Amino acid sequence: QKEVEQNSGPLSVPEGAIASLNCTYSDRVSQSFFWYRQYSGKSPELIMSIYSNGDKEDGRFTAQLNKASQYVSLLIRDSQPSDSATYLCAFLSGGYNKLIFGAGTRLAVHP
Amino acid sequence: GAGVSQTPSNKVTEKGKYVELRCDPISGHTALYWYRQSLGQGPEFLIYFQGTGAADDSGLPNDRFFAVRPEGSVSTLKIQRTERGDSAVYLCASSLVGETVEQFFGPGTRLTVL
Repeated sequence: QKEVEQNSGPLSVPEGAIASLNCTYSDRVSQSFFWYRQYSGKSPELIMSIYSNGDKEDGRFTAQLNKASQYVSLLIRDSQPSDSATYLCAFLSGGYNKLIFGAGTRLAVHP
Repeated sequence: GAGVSQTPSNKVTEKGKYVELRCDPISGHTALYWYRQSLGQGPEFLIYFQGTGAADDSGLPNDRFFAVRPEGSVSTLKIQRTERGDSAVYLCASSLVGETVEQFFGPGTRLTVL
């Protein structure tokens, strides 16, 4: 079993819709979870961090964490073509010094 | 302010050669990380520095890889006797220190071993 599981996609949504990205993880100890956005040919860009159960909202992005289910999700409201990218889920492991990443979900927002 | 910088942006070398990749972290960030990303995969941890010392090098794949950070700022990842399987994007990240730290990535170095 991979430490972080993400659907590879592509997830295709129309412009203006809500995109829902999901991630499950195997580490029961980790307290810190992150979503990174990666455009093709670019490096990962941090867009959300979440540390406690529940929802965290930042602009059009909402991260949701459920530690009991070992599940974290990212919702993107009013999706734009510029949101088209690969979204990487990660958690902090190893005594808070290394990120463990999923392989990413490719999101395509079409006009 | 300036983000993490990495040089070179691209490096093409021949099998068996030695390469050095450089990372300059965000000013004030004492923690520095190296990751490697292959096509279609998420970044994979290589090594973590806290100050000048390598606090965790568990991700280095073998003894051909090593990294230094002599003055606690700039770091160099060194790969000896490169192999074609070393071809990847090498990413550097930096952060403050703590339990909820956020890591910020540089633009990466794309290494191609012919």
